[in-house]
Amino acid sequence: DTGVSQDPRHKITKRGQNVTFRCDPISEHNRLYWYRQTLGQGPEFLTYFQNEAQLEKSRLLSDRFSAERPKGSFSTLEIQRTEQGDSAMYLCASSSERERDTQYFGPGTRLTVL
Amino acid sequence: AQSVAQPEDQVNVAEGNPLTVKCTYSVSGNPYLFWYVQYPNRGLQFLLKYITGDNLVKGSYGFEAEFNKSQTSFHLKKPSALVSDSALYFCAVREQSGGYQKVTFGIGTKLQVIP
Repeated sequence: DTGVSQDPRHKITKRGQNVTFRCDPISEHNRLYWYRQTLGQGPEFLTYFQNEAQLEKSRLLSDRFSAERPKGSFSTLEIQRTEQGDSAMYLCASSSERERDTQYFGPGTRLTVL
Repeated sequence: AQSVAQPEDQVNVAEGNPLTVKCTYSVSGNPYLFWYVQYPNRGLQFLLKYITGDNLVKGSYGFEAEFNKSQTSFHLKKPSALVSDSALYFCAVREQSGGYQKVTFGIGTKLQVIP
């Protein structure tokens, strides 16, 4: 399968712990996006990478959140000192330079903070 | 600021009947418009997009959408619904302009196709 993959698919953690999620985009896709989706809502934009450069960050991305894409391939999203309000589905998407407006989504990582 | 409204939380339609899922948008300039579908426990799948040109856009699985600039709408349609079309549908918009513009999604409409 050459689609967007995310790991882990589910994560349960205790409040105050740090968590890290990984996203592997479709190969050759130079653009990568992170979204957060809560129950009954659509995806909310978090951040955007073009190659290894993080070009856009939402105000939703507090100081506890950090994202990297060190070699322009896979990306990680880390949440430090998790809070119960961080419980959500975290979605990753990628797009190519040629079809930059067509985003392909991964299956998501469901985070539950106890 | 750009926004998307999906006025119906749920749409019920009988199998074989035509379906419409409504979407209206607001942007400062010209829009790029998208429809995505989400099946349970799966990520969003791209259905179709409007960039420019013909107002009627055809997409995957027999879906189409009509861009109406005067009504700022982009309703999703299908002539004959299938039970397998039952899913959550999201409309999305972004403004056409230079540089990166984020995509804003609606809250989704649950489509239930009744056998």
